[in-house]
Amino acid sequence: AQSVTQLDSHVSVSEGTPVLLRCNYSSSYSPSLFWYVQHPNKGLQLLLKYTSAATLVKGINGFEAEFKKSETSFHLTKPSAHMSDAAEYFCVVSDSSSGSARQLTFGSGTQLTVLP
Amino acid sequence: ETGVTQTPRHLVMGMTNKKSLKCEQHLGHNAMYWYKQSAKKPLELMFVYSLEERVENNSVPSRFSPECPNSSHLFLHLHTLQPEDSALYLCASSQGRNSGNTIYFGEGSWLTVV
Repeated sequence: AQSVTQLDSHVSVSEGTPVLLRCNYSSSYSPSLFWYVQHPNKGLQLLLKYTSAATLVKGINGFEAEFKKSETSFHLTKPSAHMSDAAEYFCVVSDSSSGSARQLTFGSGTQLTVLP
Repeated sequence: ETGVTQTPRHLVMGMTNKKSLKCEQHLGHNAMYWYKQSAKKPLELMFVYSLEERVENNSVPSRFSPECPNSSHLFLHLHTLQPEDSALYLCASSQGRNSGNTIYFGEGSWLTVV
């Protein structure tokens, strides 16, 4: 079984300051991990993914995430927030241990607010 | 533009109506998915189709009926829905079922049941 926990339902930062969105996961197998972003009235867009290669993953729009197996974490960071980063962010874990069609387990989401 | 197109974007229907949601992917993928996104709840996987065969059905009520006529198209037929079925319905696709493959989402269809 797999699960994912996003530790903060809401995060608020000022424009130009760093962003940290926290995610912890559990998985019986070597997981793949993703971060998706959802802007209002839009679908989910992939920010970045980890699939057992480099543990520091760089994504679009200046976001990156580090896979830490010892801490079972995959936190999302950005050095400097922009107003356009305001959105909801989802951490997602996937493994193929079931042998059936692939499933993703989604976190409950973190709403990021960027203050001017 | 993610390559996954959903129509209609907004739908209001009565509890006795029959309607359908349509999804089309232009990415050459061979797996397609329906997800339900309700307020304050994590995304829920509803159905998975792989090579046009339904391979997953996560205990979805029979008032939701999926159809996958080919690898590029996916429908969700709706009938006698309940107000609690009001939600954002997201279609997605991927190439293969490897856990590292990226799933691409459409922009969703907002459904309101009155």
